[in-house]
Amino acid sequence: SQELEQSPQSLIVQEGKNLTINCTSSKTLYGLYWYKQKYGEGLIFLMMLQKGGEEKSHEKITAKLDEKKQQSSLHITASQPSHAGIYLCGADDSGGYQKVTFGTGTKLQVIP
Amino acid sequence: NAGVMQNPRHLVRRRGQEARLRCSPMKGHSHVYWYRQLPEEGLKFMVYLQKENIIDESGMPKERFSAEFPKEGPSILRIQQVVRGDSAAYFCASSPPEGVGGYTFGSGTRLTVV
Repeated sequence: SQELEQSPQSLIVQEGKNLTINCTSSKTLYGLYWYKQKYGEGLIFLMMLQKGGEEKSHEKITAKLDEKKQQSSLHITASQPSHAGIYLCGADDSGGYQKVTFGTGTKLQVIP
Repeated sequence: NAGVMQNPRHLVRRRGQEARLRCSPMKGHSHVYWYRQLPEEGLKFMVYLQKENIIDESGMPKERFSAEFPKEGPSILRIQQVVRGDSAAYFCASSPPEGVGGYTFGSGTRLTVV
């Protein structure tokens, strides 16, 4: 099955700074999802990427999927305390349905 | 338009008791997925269900755990004879029949076994 590695595992940044979180797969990704989890809460869907080279943005968050579809990055511009949380990448397991395997997560703290 | 509803939000059980976790998918969603998040660990897939069918239970422990999604009513994750190691957050997600567009997650049920 799919194995996803996220880096870094945790990140502390000053408010206003940019940051990047990476997600690397052991296999070709059929669909790549980014979610955010606030501590102690459920997951919020951020973005889905399917095509090699695809890039999507929402507010100050941009996600990219590389051409080989084995690596994705999530970039936050001008970080704010509201960006704090755990960011999880998830991948389609290619079983013909939407079973998603998740990465280990990246804990982000933003210091005011 | 209610999202994925899970209840209870918090559940405390003594060792050996049964835990029942409920999940009502979003309106129009017929696929349900259960995940478990152990403390300081990532989300682990447990089971994928459609109405009255278990499609993939490859992540379910072999014993004590079962799941169902009846024709009427919510999906139920049942844990019999709970042990301390079952303490975790259990999340349910749902997706539409066409299976595109990402899951919608519930807020989770936090199970504590004492």
